[in-house]
Amino acid sequence: DQQVKQNSPSLSVQEGRISILNCDYTNSMFDYFLWYKKYPAEGPTFLISISSIKDKNEDGRFTVFLNKSAKHLSLHIVPSQPGDSAVYFCAASVWNTGNQFYFGTGTSLTVIP
Amino acid sequence: GAGVSQSPRYKVAKRGQDVALRCDPISGHVSLFWYQQALGQGPEFLTYFQNEAQLDKSGLPSDRFFAERPEGSVSTLKIQRTQQEDSAVYLCASSLATGRELFFGSGTQLSVL
Repeated sequence: DQQVKQNSPSLSVQEGRISILNCDYTNSMFDYFLWYKKYPAEGPTFLISISSIKDKNEDGRFTVFLNKSAKHLSLHIVPSQPGDSAVYFCAASVWNTGNQFYFGTGTSLTVIP
Repeated sequence: GAGVSQSPRYKVAKRGQDVALRCDPISGHVSLFWYQQALGQGPEFLTYFQNEAQLDKSGLPSDRFFAERPEGSVSTLKIQRTQQEDSAVYLCASSLATGRELFFGSGTQLSVL
């Protein structure tokens, strides 16, 4: 049973435009969310996180939005750059029992120069 | 070391063979995780250590899978009598504390023929 879902397997965006990657979750106990970026033949690298006490967290070109009532989060990349082309995974956990992170299936982002 | 190190990078095993996968976490990281990532899927939790204690092994798919971290640093994931469905990338991750972001190694790609 997939508790974290990324329904878009792929996304293509023009360089300089906004990339929006979406993630939905089913477990209302989740209170800590992360985005990871993965290049081929490498492990996922941490990008940005958000706890459930916030609805937005920003780090440079990357912003994560959390809508708890909809059990939905999104990652915005502005402006998109060719180097952003990678697979993006969202992950969720319950903070105080955070020994298990649940990952989505990933969205492959291609930024077209 | 600077990052999480995993070896071997690739492993080809004949069905029925035992394999051992090694993970060297970031120095000082208390928590260590093993994940399995099948092709086209997100990482799926296998097991979790806090120091040398294995606190959660609920994700191990069968009793053929065994993990240890005897001195609280290096960890080994052992798979006995490998089967074709064990073919996947095995990712190790460590974190400074429970619930914080995970730092992943590049993974071991296991192919069982």
